[in-house]
This record gives sequence, structure tokens and C-alpha cells, in this order.
Amino acid sequence: SAVISQKPSRDICQRGTSLTIQCQVDSQVTMMFWYRQQPGQSLTLIATANQGSEATYESGFVIDKFPISRPNLTFSTLTVSNMSPEDSSIYLCTILVRDYGYTFGSGTRLTVV
Amino acid sequence: GEDVEQSLFLSVREGDSSVINCTYTDSSSTYLYWYKQEPGAGLQLLTYIFSNMDMKQDQRLTVLLNKKDKHLSLRIADTQTGDSAIYFCAELRMDSSYKLIFGSGTRLLVRP
Repeated sequence: SAVISQKPSRDICQRGTSLTIQCQVDSQVTMMFWYRQQPGQSLTLIATANQGSEATYESGFVIDKFPISRPNLTFSTLTVSNMSPEDSSIYLCTILVRDYGYTFGSGTRLTVV
Repeated sequence: GEDVEQSLFLSVREGDSSVINCTYTDSSSTYLYWYKQEPGAGLQLLTYIFSNMDMKQDQRLTVLLNKKDKHLSLRIADTQTGDSAIYFCAELRMDSSYKLIFGSGTRLLVRP
């Protein structure tokens, strides 16, 4: 199956700043997604990253807060903007592999202080 | 509703079998998954089942699917201490979005 590299793996950020998370896949994939896992919680889909068009956001998530880029079929970024402590979470990039399912990156553990 | 439901906690003795249950919501879901998350680690895909199957076995893992009741279970035979983790079930919504919807996770504790 495809290999996903996500970086940074973890970061501690000051409130009010922004962090951009990168997701690189070793093969071309059509569907790429960003999830958030808040402490002690399950995973919630933030948005679907579409190549060549704007991302599709889930209810409760907006582009101004979580801008996403998808410049090609192997790469995407998620920015967490104007961070607050409530944004402290694990952010995960994932891809859908036909007939196999979703493969997740190792995640970015973000702490906002 | 949107929720995929799981019991929160399960404790078993090493060597026993563990059964983790999940109730999903969308009868049109074609794939159902089980993921494992160890402390401080990412998500590991354990197994999945296609909706036209009732059962799937993979070494110590057995997945049972009851489509009528929208019930999914994961059985781990001969549970080991290394199996202690959080287990998430997830359903693939086959609308245009191909969203993967996760349950709340079941924390499995294996006692020596």
C-alpha cells in the first residue's frame, strides 16, 4: 500500500500563530483527507483535499481557520490558523486506496500554549 | 444519525478472547474497518470487511458483520498484552464524499 509521510510529527506553538502541516504520498492518489483527533476523542473529518479545486469542508470547519492546499496528486498541506489551546490535537492526513481502504499518516501532534 | 457507536472500555485476561462491538448507521456503507491505536502512536489498519460478507478471518482476528442489525464485531483470539490499545471501527459512507466515519473507540486493557 501507499506510504504517507507527514511533518512535522509534533510541535508546540504559541497561541495566535499558524502552523502548516505537510502530507506527502509516495504515489498518486485522487482522494486525500484531513482528520483531527482531539485529546481522548475519536477522529473527526476536517475536509477533503481536492486536486485542482478548493477543499470540501465538513460542518464546523471553515477555510479561514483550516486552509488546505492540494497542488498535485501526491502532496497536500493543512494550515491551522490563529491557533488557540482548543486546537491542540493530533492532525492526520489520510488517503483512500481503491479496494483497500484508508491509509493514515503518523499524524502531527500539536500543542498550543 | 451520524454516530458510529462503540462501548468505551473492555478488560480481558491474557490468553482469553476479546470481542469489541460496533453499531454503524448507514445501510449503504460498503466497507467497514477496524483500526488500532496504541498510546502515542498513529492509526494502524487492522482489517476490513466488505458489506457482502458475513465474516472475515485473518490470523487471530475475526470480523463478523450483521447487516440487518448494522452490527460489526472484532474478535481477537488469544489476546496478548501487546493488544492493549484503542480500537476504532469506521464505516465508509458511499455518498459522493467517500467519508470515513469513526466510532468513539474502545479501550482494550489486557491483564497479565
